[in-house]
Amino acid sequence: DAGVTQSPTHLIKTRGQQVTLRCSPKSGHDTVSWYQQALGQGPQFIFQYYEEEERQRGNFPDRFSGHQFPNYSSELNVNALLLGDSALYLCASSLVARGDTQYFGPGTRLTVL
Amino acid sequence: AQTVTQSQPEMSVQEAETVTLSCTYDTSESNYYLFWYKQPPSRQMILVIRQEAYKQQNATENRFSVNFQKAAKSFSLKISDSQLGDTAMYFCAFMKPGAGSYQLTFGKGTKLSVIP
Repeated sequence: DAGVTQSPTHLIKTRGQQVTLRCSPKSGHDTVSWYQQALGQGPQFIFQYYEEEERQRGNFPDRFSGHQFPNYSSELNVNALLLGDSALYLCASSLVARGDTQYFGPGTRLTVL
Repeated sequence: AQTVTQSQPEMSVQEAETVTLSCTYDTSESNYYLFWYKQPPSRQMILVIRQEAYKQQNATENRFSVNFQKAAKSFSLKISDSQLGDTAMYFCAFMKPGAGSYQLTFGKGTKLSVIP
């Protein structure tokens, strides 16, 4: 049973660039949530996707956008990168009918120079 | 908005001993879920244990158990017979289930070191 997978593992970008991170949910799951984890902090909720629509959004600017595909995989896009966007980006999947438990992927480490 | 507080930034325990990690939360909701996640140096966030607020019985998973005090809004994690592999960051998290989203709110974490 494949768990949540994310790509790439690491990414280095410069200020002002755009980045796309990818996530494949655990087999059988249909809901994907994205979190940002700054160094030394707990993860913060960015947004959640279900049925290819954004269901809820955390306190993040519009530079952060996402997409969910028919196969339930998801992308996180960040435009006009800032130094403060450097963080570990975590994807979590769940089954909407059992939305109480989220399973996390290994994360993508984004460094903005 | 819900908040989760972990007041112990770092803790250490001798191998085979017992350690308790503290977590308090603030909410006006009566129905919610609480979680402990473990994040080892490999970065993968792993679910340790889950508690439903409507259940009075404390959840247990092998060597891991919780002390859930709903009135006090306290949710501590006890690790028995600590093992070297328990060395990790531990995060307490809150979720209010309901229409629209199942969003996790995390504390800042407690770094646990298990000493041989």
